[in-house]
Amino acid sequence: GAVVSQHPSWVICKSGTSVKIECRSLDFQATTMFWYRQFPKQSLMLMATSNEGSKATYEQGVEKDKFLINHASLTLSTLTVTSAHPEDSSFYICSADWDRSYEQYFGPGTRLTVT
Amino acid sequence: QQQVKQSPQSLIVQKGGISIINCAYENTAFDYFPWYQQFPGKGPALLIAIRPDVSEKKEGRFTISFNKSAKQFSLHIMDSQPGDSATYFCAASRGSYIPTFGRGTSLIVHP
Repeated sequence: GAVVSQHPSWVICKSGTSVKIECRSLDFQATTMFWYRQFPKQSLMLMATSNEGSKATYEQGVEKDKFLINHASLTLSTLTVTSAHPEDSSFYICSADWDRSYEQYFGPGTRLTVT
Repeated sequence: QQQVKQSPQSLIVQKGGISIINCAYENTAFDYFPWYQQFPGKGPALLIAIRPDVSEKKEGRFTISFNKSAKQFSLHIMDSQPGDSATYFCAASRGSYIPTFGRGTSLIVHP
């Protein structure tokens, strides 16, 4: 149980285009979903927290107009990187918790490369 | 301010050896301490976790040792195997709040 999926697993896009990444909790309804960014050989950096039906809470330094988060249902959250640039290339990981438990369940990540 | 300090940054162990990764925290309000294992190109997966009411938790070859007074906890991997080669992150959280992650330890187990 507690499986989180992400789609796509990897994506290459041209500079200036937008990319949408989906995060789904497959077998549970997520109370909250989280979006992280991870650079090579570095730790996870929390970008934002989202709850179904409400606006996402962004961490300091994360541009909310660039990283649009939509949490349409208890099982789906999307991250849209708008007007992507090469510096946005990174590994994006979502996670979800269930019933405000202590544990977070991570998705497999999405590798974004902007050319 | 880094609230969870993890060491070492990298670790090389021979097959069958013991891998030890240490973490120290500052916030005494933390009450949940998980360890995550991450393979290249994959998301982190919860490996084992401990709460401060116990000093040790063991699951198979993986053991967490917890020292509340020193505000330290560590992960021990007994009989380390090449398949254990991954990056390990410690974390700490207060209640159901978002965990604070350590910087990670890259473990390589040589066959």
